[in-house]
Amino acid sequence: AQSVTQLDSQVPVFEEAPVELRCNYSSSVSVYLFWYVQYPNQGLQLLLKYLSGSTLVKGINGFEAEFNKSQTSFHLRKPSVHISDTAEYFCAVRSSGGSNYKLTFGKGTLLTVNP
Amino acid sequence: KAGVTQTPRYLIKTRGQQVTLSCSPISGHRSVSWYQQTPGQGLQFLFEYFSETQRNKGNFPGRFSGRQFSNSRSEMNVSTLELGDSALYLCASSRAPTDNTEAFFGQGTRLTVV
Repeated sequence: AQSVTQLDSQVPVFEEAPVELRCNYSSSVSVYLFWYVQYPNQGLQLLLKYLSGSTLVKGINGFEAEFNKSQTSFHLRKPSVHISDTAEYFCAVRSSGGSNYKLTFGKGTLLTVNP
Repeated sequence: KAGVTQTPRYLIKTRGQQVTLSCSPISGHRSVSWYQQTPGQGLQFLFEYFSETQRNKGNFPGRFSGRQFSNSRSEMNVSTLELGDSALYLCASSRAPTDNTEAFFGQGTRLTVV
């Protein structure tokens, strides 16, 4: 079984400030890791993913995340946020093998960017 | 290229009724997964279909069911609705189950049970 913990339910920041959204996971098998963003009344949009290789992955809209296997973490960062980044962000995991490819999500972090 | 289409976008139903939600995946995608999103429980996996077969099912009661048609469109049905079934239901499509690292989500159907 897998689980995902997003350590902050809400993160308020000012425009142009850096931000880090924290994500820790637990799994007995190797996993793939994802970050999704959800704008109000919308579905989920994939920001970035880690499948293998370099532990630093870059995504859309200037976001990046670093996979740390020893700390079982996959924190999302952006050096300078915009008002338009206000949204809910979800970290998710999926086993990299086997036959069950369901995504297991964290509870989400609401990022609010203030002017 | 059209995205994942979920219909209807909004639904209001009464306790005890049943409801059917529809999901049309991206053209060429044959795998469809369904998720329930609520403020309390977050995003939870309901089931996954591929080539008209249910491959995996989440931990939901039997009132929740689904199916997939030969054109890959999928429907999910909830019978005997309860207030707790109020949620945003999201559908995701990918080419195949192993390809859901490239899963695309629809905008969801917001179900309100009164």
